[in-house]
Amino acid sequence: KQEVTQIPAALSVPEGENLVLNCSFTDSAIYNLQWFRQDPGKGLTSLLLIQSSQREQTSGRLNASLDKSSGRSTLYIAASQPGDSATYLCAPRGYSGGGADGLTFGKGTHLIIQP
Amino acid sequence: GAVVSQHPSWVICKSGTSVKIECRSLDFQATTMFWYRQFPKQSLMLMATSNEGSKATYEQGVEKDKFLINHASLTLSTLTVTSAHPEDSSFYICSARDLRSGGYEQYFGPGTRLTVT
Repeated sequence: KQEVTQIPAALSVPEGENLVLNCSFTDSAIYNLQWFRQDPGKGLTSLLLIQSSQREQTSGRLNASLDKSSGRSTLYIAASQPGDSATYLCAPRGYSGGGADGLTFGKGTHLIIQP
Repeated sequence: GAVVSQHPSWVICKSGTSVKIECRSLDFQATTMFWYRQFPKQSLMLMATSNEGSKATYEQGVEKDKFLINHASLTLSTLTVTSAHPEDSSFYICSARDLRSGGYEQYFGPGTRLTVT
């Protein structure tokens, strides 16, 4: 069964800093991996999706990398802003399983960007 | 973009009653939708996979007779929590895969906060 760990669990930094959020997963046989952000009491917003054949994806100030063989992904946030404050979740998608390839989530990294 | 809606956004019900939550893909068709549950300060846990026109597939430990799922069309899946109890209070989120993009990406609804008193 896939298990996802995200480090750090929480992070508070002043705005302007560059950040790295880490995600590790136990089963490297994944189809793809998505990064999401979740605002308090809200649903999920998809940030980036990396296919298993890709090594990284970029969108604006966000860059996600994937090392499938070692079961790791990182989300890099450049020039952080207060609006980036949220919980960031990574979710690998498996090929099969009891959930017919639903996503497995970590507990997330709770990020606070101080103005 | 791909938009998923949920209704209601929040609901309070009495113990023993049933509650229905709707999940709709507004601008795309989704043969597969997923239902997740999130308890406070916990990660999202997949409850079941909803397939249009067929029975849902439930994750281990999820009672299929308690959480009834119906996927009647390519844009609508419903989750009914039957005989709800306080321990069912949680944040329920659905997601759908957009066939136009090859079904690679999942788009999530805004969630439904269920409180059982």
